[in-house]
Amino acid sequence: SQTIHQWPATLVQPVGSPLSLECTVEGTSNPNLYWYRQAAGRGLQLLFYSVGIGQISSEVPQNLSASRPQDRQFILSSKKLLLSDSGFYLCAWIRTDFLYGYTFGSGTRLTVV
Amino acid sequence: GQQLNQSPQSMFIQEGEDVSMNCTSSSIFNTWLWYKQDPGEGPVLLIALYKAGELTSNGRLTAQFGITRKDSFLNISASIPSDVGIYFCAGYTTNAGGTSYGKLTFGQGTILTVHP
Repeated sequence: SQTIHQWPATLVQPVGSPLSLECTVEGTSNPNLYWYRQAAGRGLQLLFYSVGIGQISSEVPQNLSASRPQDRQFILSSKKLLLSDSGFYLCAWIRTDFLYGYTFGSGTRLTVV
Repeated sequence: GQQLNQSPQSMFIQEGEDVSMNCTSSSIFNTWLWYKQDPGEGPVLLIALYKAGELTSNGRLTAQFGITRKDSFLNISASIPSDVGIYFCAGYTTNAGGTSYGKLTFGQGTILTVHP
């Protein structure tokens, strides 16, 4: 069966520090991968998506970047965090044929202080 | 960006009551999904709908894909305390070239509170 792993679960980082959140999917190949941010427990905003290794599409301009160095690995990064980067970050995947819906990771709660 | 209008925003009900929530969109989707999110967790898929008019059940949950492909509803029958959480509708299209191709659009969520 397919599983999605996301870590760390919580993170407290000072303003100006770098960020690296990792997401990996097991049990499938060539998934479409997504990073979402959720503010205040409502409304998920799509940040990045990837349809293959090295292919990244950005949905909103921001202080973050994403990379996909391997087929089932998706990384969210920042060189210098801002207070406004705080939030709940979720990774998700779906099959390339878009069947069976999106599966989400358990999320990372990021607090920038 | 695109958003779905989900209502109500919150519900406070007694255990045993039925619940109904819905989503509408100005755009057509060919797939509708309903998720439940517990505090501090990622959303978990409850029901997926792939065809206009489709009515699908999952235990006490029933969801329908509107015939216009611009709306969907979710019903929960005989609510129990563990039904509390945030319920999200979401839609996407699988038609290549469409602006929402493969990209999930979410409603703002319905916060459900169930009193024992």
